[in-house]
Amino acid sequence: DAMVIQNPRYQVTQFGKPVTLSCSQTLNHNVMYWYQQKSSQAPKLLFHYYDKDFNNEADTPDNFQSRRPNTSFCFLDIRSPGLGDAAMYLCATSPRRGAHNEQFFGPGTRLTVL
Amino acid sequence: AQTVTQSQPEMSVQEAETVTLSCTYDTSESNYYLFWYKQPPSRQMILVIRQEAYKQQNATENRFSVNFQKAAKSFSLKISDSQLGDTAMYFCAFMKQTYSGGGADGLTFGKGTHLIIQP
Repeated sequence: DAMVIQNPRYQVTQFGKPVTLSCSQTLNHNVMYWYQQKSSQAPKLLFHYYDKDFNNEADTPDNFQSRRPNTSFCFLDIRSPGLGDAAMYLCATSPRRGAHNEQFFGPGTRLTVL
Repeated sequence: AQTVTQSQPEMSVQEAETVTLSCTYDTSESNYYLFWYKQPPSRQMILVIRQEAYKQQNATENRFSVNFQKAAKSFSLKISDSQLGDTAMYFCAFMKQTYSGGGADGLTFGKGTHLIIQP
């Protein structure tokens, strides 16, 4: 089945140690999103790609970076994780721009920072 | 910027009952979509239902329907004949419509309502 896959499902890292979360999709969608979902809070958009065009949200910390080497893969890099970065990270895809296009979500990666 | 507010952190109903989840939003945009997403425990978020702001008719999807009050900026979700499998977090979300040449903004979510269906 076509889907959005996130690896790993659970990631533990140490304070300040760089970590990379990955997302892959078999849907051949042009748009990929990264959301951060902290406990008891609303998921929050960090950034998104339309094809290779990167769009960063204004309030996304510089500590967060992203790479999209090809259509299928997108990575979230946290350069120096702090305790406040512990959260569920959700990847989503959409076939094209526009709110009429459904977003398809992966299961998320839960990041723990020790 | 837009905001989405869900005032019910948790709700619990008996199986087969009807339940309504509330959502209000604030925006200065004129063209947008509203969504309800379901996030079951340890599973991915899935779209339940969506409503285009320009459509006056309320969207329905089987047991799920919305009450969209544009002037009041209200967008509630009604689940009829609730089932045990409806137990999940439900997120109300907003997305402004963009067109070719514009940006592809993401979803703005509310904090969610944890719905528990009791047997």
